[in-house]
Amino acid sequence: DIQMTQSPSSLSASVGDEVTITCRASHSISTSFNWYQQKPGKAPKLLIYSASSLQSGVPSRFSGSGSGTDFTLTISSLQPEDSATYYCLQSHSTPYTFGQGTKLEIK
Amino acid sequence: QVQMQQSGPRLVRPSQTLSVTCVISGDSVSSNNAAWNWIRQSPSRGLEWLGRTYYRSKWSNDYAVSVKSRLIISADTSKNQFSLQLNSVTPEDTAVYYCTRANSDWYFDYWGQGSLVTVSS
Repeated sequence: DIQMTQSPSSLSASVGDEVTITCRASHSISTSFNWYQQKPGKAPKLLIYSASSLQSGVPSRFSGSGSGTDFTLTISSLQPEDSATYYCLQSHSTPYTFGQGTKLEIK
Repeated sequence: QVQMQQSGPRLVRPSQTLSVTCVISGDSVSSNNAAWNWIRQSPSRGLEWLGRTYYRSKWSNDYAVSVKSRLIISADTSKNQFSLQLNSVTPEDTAVYYCTRANSDWYFDYWGQGSLVTVSS
C-alpha cells in the first residue's frame, strides 16, 4: 500500500496570510494526487486534482504542485471560509489512501 | 450535474450486516468512464477507502484488504444505484460512510452526503 504522510497536522494563520500544506507518498505516484477540503458535517470537497489542476469553481487562491512523492497545497490570501480540514489523496493505485489531514484555523 | 443520495440504517447491532445504498443521478452506474466507491471516516481510522465497482464490458470489484472478507459492493442498473454490504460488524465499523464517484482519471469528484452508522448493542 502507498502511505501518505501529511504535515502539519494543524496550523493557525490570519486572514490574508499564505499557508502551505505538504504531503509525501511512500512510493512515486507521478501526478495521481489530489487535495480535498472538508468542513464539519460535510463530505470532502475536491480542490485540486492531478497534483496541480484547479477543480471548477474553486477559488484561484488555492494551488497545488509536485510530482513523484512530494506534493504541496498552497492557499494564498487566506479567507475566513478557508477554515477547514484538508486531506490529500493518492489515486495512483488501489487501495487509494488519504493523508491524516491538516486542520486549518483562521485566527 | 452528478448527485449521489445515500440511504441506509443508522444503528446496526454487532455481528449483523451493515447496508448502505447510493442512488445516482446525472450519470449511469454502468458508465465506462467512472467507478463507484465506498469510503468511510472515523476518528480512529481517518478517511479509509473500502472498495469500488465499475463496468468495463463486464463488472469488476476491488476491495481493501482490511474488509475484503466481509464486504460486498454491488450495482443495480435498473435503479441506477450501488450498495455496500459489510458483514459481521463490530463497534470498530462505526463511521460515516460515503459513496463517491471516481472519474476516468480515478480521483473522487462527486460524493454522497454521508451516512453515520453506529454499531452498538
